[in-house]
Amino acid sequence: QKEVEQNSGPLSVPEGAIASLNCTYSDRGSQSFFWYRQYSGKSPELIMSIYSNGDKEDGRFTAQLNKASQYVSLLIRDSQPSDSATYLCAAFSGGYNKLIFGAGTRLAVHP
Amino acid sequence: KAGVTQTPRYLIKTRGQQVTLSCSPISGHRSVSWYQQTPGQGLQFLFEYFSETQRNKGNFPGRFSGRQFSNSRSEMNVSTLELGDSALYLCASREGDNYGYTFGSGTRLTVV
Repeated sequence: QKEVEQNSGPLSVPEGAIASLNCTYSDRGSQSFFWYRQYSGKSPELIMSIYSNGDKEDGRFTAQLNKASQYVSLLIRDSQPSDSATYLCAAFSGGYNKLIFGAGTRLAVHP
Repeated sequence: KAGVTQTPRYLIKTRGQQVTLSCSPISGHRSVSWYQQTPGQGLQFLFEYFSETQRNKGNFPGRFSGRQFSNSRSEMNVSTLELGDSALYLCASREGDNYGYTFGSGTRLTVV
């Protein structure tokens, strides 16, 4: 079983729509969760972090965490073509003391 | 603040050679991690250093090693290079355990 799982996509959404990206993790001891955006040929860029159950909003981005279900999601409102990238979910495993990444979901926003 | 700096950006090596990659973290960040990224395997954890001590190591052969200096700068070394070592090597630093990593631009290693 992969430690952090994401649907590889591609997830295709029209411009202006809400993009919903999902992630599950296996280590119940994970306490910190992060979303990264990676454009082709570039390094990952941290866009959201979340530590407690519930929602966290930052501009057009909302991260959601449900520790009971071991589920993390990222909503992107008013999606723009510039949001087209691979989105990586990561969970910090205290037991293993390392940040574990999912394989990423490719998002394509079409005009 | 300057970001995470990795050198060199690109490297071409021959099988059997060894290579050293360098990483300067963000000022004040004492934790540095290294990741290997390939199209097939995604981001794979190599190791993490904190205050010159290796705290964790991923599932890579002993040919992969690293170290951290007193100024938090880090190096990783790969000996006896194989074709499969061709990848983007990313260094990342963070302020503390509950903070996200900031990645450098990476070193793209090609082994021929």
